[in-house]
Amino acid sequence: NAGVTQTPKFQVLKTGQSMTLQCAQDMNHEYMSWYRQDPGMGLRLIHYSVGAGITDQGEVPNGYNVSRSTTEDFPLRLLSAAPSQTSVYFCASRAPLRGGPSSGNTIYFGEGSWLTVV
Amino acid sequence: GESVGLHLPTLSVQEGDNSIINCAYSNSASDYFIWYKQESGKGPQFIIDIRSNMDKRQGQRVTVLLNKTVKHLSLQIAATQPGDSAVYFCAEIDSGGSYIPTFGRGTSLIVHP
Repeated sequence: NAGVTQTPKFQVLKTGQSMTLQCAQDMNHEYMSWYRQDPGMGLRLIHYSVGAGITDQGEVPNGYNVSRSTTEDFPLRLLSAAPSQTSVYFCASRAPLRGGPSSGNTIYFGEGSWLTVV
Repeated sequence: GESVGLHLPTLSVQEGDNSIINCAYSNSASDYFIWYKQESGKGPQFIIDIRSNMDKRQGQRVTVLLNKTVKHLSLQIAATQPGDSAVYFCAEIDSGGSYIPTFGRGTSLIVHP
């Protein structure tokens, strides 16, 4: 059981380049999301999806696109990279909240993707 | 908007001591809370969770306390070990609303041997 898998782990981009961060989960979770983590800022939500074919914006969506063609995959696209997008990106997934406290209700994170835009 | 915050950005303790990490939340509709541990260079890992119909939940060496009256959450780590050194986040979820978690900025726990 791989959980949440992100690729690449590290990436350096030039300003204006585009790229896609890949995220896949094998837990059949409906909810998937992308966060960025900057020093002192905590985790900020970029985009999320509550199921295949459904996506919505989070707190900081500008400069990013997402799609959800399958339950398993939720790629994050940087359309034209800017230095302000230098950050660590985390993909997360979760099953719908049901019943009492249980690890099955929680959010699972990938290992992160370190992106530097120069 | 609503936010989750941590009282202390850094907590230093001696190995073997008990650690208490605090978290304040402001959304009174939040009914599910999670603590995460994030080690350097890794993604956040689930530690323990609690629903609002409980005020205490225990795990292995960890206890979460929830005080809904003052909107306060704490994580207690017993007999803290060097391997506990990490950043700890709390998160709140309104399961009757968007289900989207709100995360605090994190507290860095440093355990001195």
